Amino acid sequence: NAGVTQTPKFRVLKTGQSMTLLCAQDMNHEYMYWYRQDPGMGLRLIHYSVGEGTTAKGEVPDGYNVSRLKKQNFLLGLESAAPSQTSVYFCASSTGTITGELFFGEGSRLTVL
Amino acid sequence: DAKTTQPTSMDCAEGRAANLPCNHSTISGNEYVYWYRQIHSQGPQYIIHGLKNNETNEMASLIITEDRKSSTLILPHATLRDTAVYYCIVRALRNQGGKLIFGQGTELSVKP
Repeated sequence: NAGVTQTPKFRVLKTGQSMTLLCAQDMNHEYMYWYRQDPGMGLRLIHYSVGEGTTAKGEVPDGYNVSRLKKQNFLLGLESAAPSQTSVYFCASSTGTITGELFFGEGSRLTVL
Repeated sequence: DAKTTQPTSMDCAEGRAANLPCNHSTISGNEYVYWYRQIHSQGPQYIIHGLKNNETNEMASLIITEDRKSSTLILPHATLRDTAVYYCIVRALRNQGGKLIFGQGTELSVKP
């Protein structure tokens, strides 16, 4: 049981380049989330999804787009990367029940030069 | 969702109980208290949650005051592997999307 898998784990981009982070979960969870974590900080919610075909903005959505075309996948896109988007990105999923815990992936470290 | 206040850092001797406090004085009746931890930049890990009553599982105990304005996470016999950042989070019962809003957390260092 893989749980939540993030791809890629490391990536270096130049300013202005685009890329997509893939999150895949095999637990049949309804809800999925993308967070970012900057050095010495807590996690901040970028976008989330409460089901296939739905997405919603979190605390820091600017500069990112997301898609949830399949229930098991949640994609995070950067159309034009900026150095301020250098961060570690975490994906999570949950059952969607009222007290359902979040299961996190291992993180994707992105550096924008 | 109500905000929480935690100490920035704490130390604990290996084998002793680690008591991590959290203040959530603005908590409302439909909000749960959750605890997660993050070990060395790994993805956060769920520990425990509670509403009113004290809770215990294989990892920890959660003590919530009667007025629910504060809580304490107890790791009964801390080990070096419990060194991590611990996050106390308050989440509404019907929070849209079940999302968690993280604060800065408490950096717990367990020392030999």
